[in-house]
Amino acid sequence: QVHLQESGPGLVRPSQTLSLACTVSGASVRGGNYFWSWIRQPAGKGLEWLGRIYTTGSTDYNPSLKSRVTISLDTSKNQFSLKMTSVTAADTAVYYCATLDFVDLSFDHWGQGTLVTVSS
Amino acid sequence: QSVLTQPPSASGTPGQRVTISCSGARDNIGINTVHWYQLVPGTAPKLLIYKNNERPAGVPDRFSGSKSGTSASLAIGGLQAEDEADYYCAAWDDRLYAMVFGGGTSLTVL
Repeated sequence: QVHLQESGPGLVRPSQTLSLACTVSGASVRGGNYFWSWIRQPAGKGLEWLGRIYTTGSTDYNPSLKSRVTISLDTSKNQFSLKMTSVTAADTAVYYCATLDFVDLSFDHWGQGTLVTVSS
Repeated sequence: QSVLTQPPSASGTPGQRVTISCSGARDNIGINTVHWYQLVPGTAPKLLIYKNNERPAGVPDRFSGSKSGTSASLAIGGLQAEDEADYYCAAWDDRLYAMVFGGGTSLTVL
């Protein structure tokens, strides 16, 4: 069974960079079955897709956030990561990592999520 | 403002059948498949329906999905207290080249 676990600081200062990692078990980030993806949910609001990365390193991002978001792979740790620059209070949210099925484009497996608060 | 439109809330009594709608456009639901997710506070989100009407292993057949044109719906039959959760639809949008979600529907079991 695929298991995903997010990790990273729970508090980020405004204008700084948010950095999160997702550790994968039960699958390899070098495998071709999935895109590796990030999604967030601000308190009281809906889900927002941030982007995806494939085993080749190819990425796609939400157009509204593309200038601030970078997703990368670390195959040595079987992880993938999210970096978001120039954060504001509007970026306060629960951040989820998930597998995105390569064929069906469904999010098959999700992490528990991690709350990131942007505040001084 | 979400790209896909869902009612913000729905409710039903135990044993009832409830339907949640998801409205989109040609570039998303019109040409791509729809997936449904269940979010329960404190737990990892769960894939409920994929490819419009397919259930992953372990999802009860009380849950069903359908799609017609640029709209989709999730039906929950034999409503149970444990079904109280937030439900989201999603589809790939070819124009935005992005995954888009509905705004979510909060289901209350009365």
